[in-house]
Amino acid sequence: GQSLEQPSEVTAVEGAIVQINCTYQTSGFYGLSWYQQHDGGAPTFLSYNALDGLEETGRFSSFLSRSDSYGYLLLQELQMKDSASYFCAVRFYMTTDSWGKFQFGAGTQVVVTP
Amino acid sequence: DTGVSQNPRHKITKRGQNVTFRCDPISEHNRLYWYRQTLGQGPEFLTYFQNEAQLEKSRLLSDRFSAERPKGSFSTLEIQRTEQGDSAMYLCASSSPLAGHTGELFFGEGSRLTVL
Repeated sequence: GQSLEQPSEVTAVEGAIVQINCTYQTSGFYGLSWYQQHDGGAPTFLSYNALDGLEETGRFSSFLSRSDSYGYLLLQELQMKDSASYFCAVRFYMTTDSWGKFQFGAGTQVVVTP
Repeated sequence: DTGVSQNPRHKITKRGQNVTFRCDPISEHNRLYWYRQTLGQGPEFLTYFQNEAQLEKSRLLSDRFSAERPKGSFSTLEIQRTEQGDSAMYLCASSSPLAGHTGELFFGEGSRLTVL
């Protein structure tokens, strides 16, 4: 099947580093995206990996390894405002079964404590 | 505001009634998606348009759900004979043709449905 798995919750203190893993059981996708969603808000795009390796965007970095069917989002220098849910997502290739939809994981709730 | 706009933001209805949600995407985006999200879960794919063509619909989606994008601009999602299990946040997202290479969807604030 096609699924993306993430830990349900991660707790860390301000200033710490958090890594959110995303493992998937699918193939044939353009790349792995990450989104942030605050309570009551819309998901907002954070990062994207089309190729294997590390992408850095400020305090956030994302990594993809297609050979290991695995990616992660790294949050550095955690701030209270980083408390939110984080989702990984893939866009599938267009095939006879799919026209290239985006599929999301169940999300990881990050709780930042003082 | 040139973001994705959804209305109504909140809808409370009685079981068995029909409801319709509207989504206005970012104007230059040709792709439009509908997702459903319940508490503690990720967005669940419902359907996807490229311009006015509905390219894909979730196989898990009941026949009570229908979506249109008649002129390739705004879209509507209608739920007929609502059930309590339909209570959720309905999210609309749009993307440019480059989304396959950028991985970026732009989401609206959502329409929250409560079925009593």
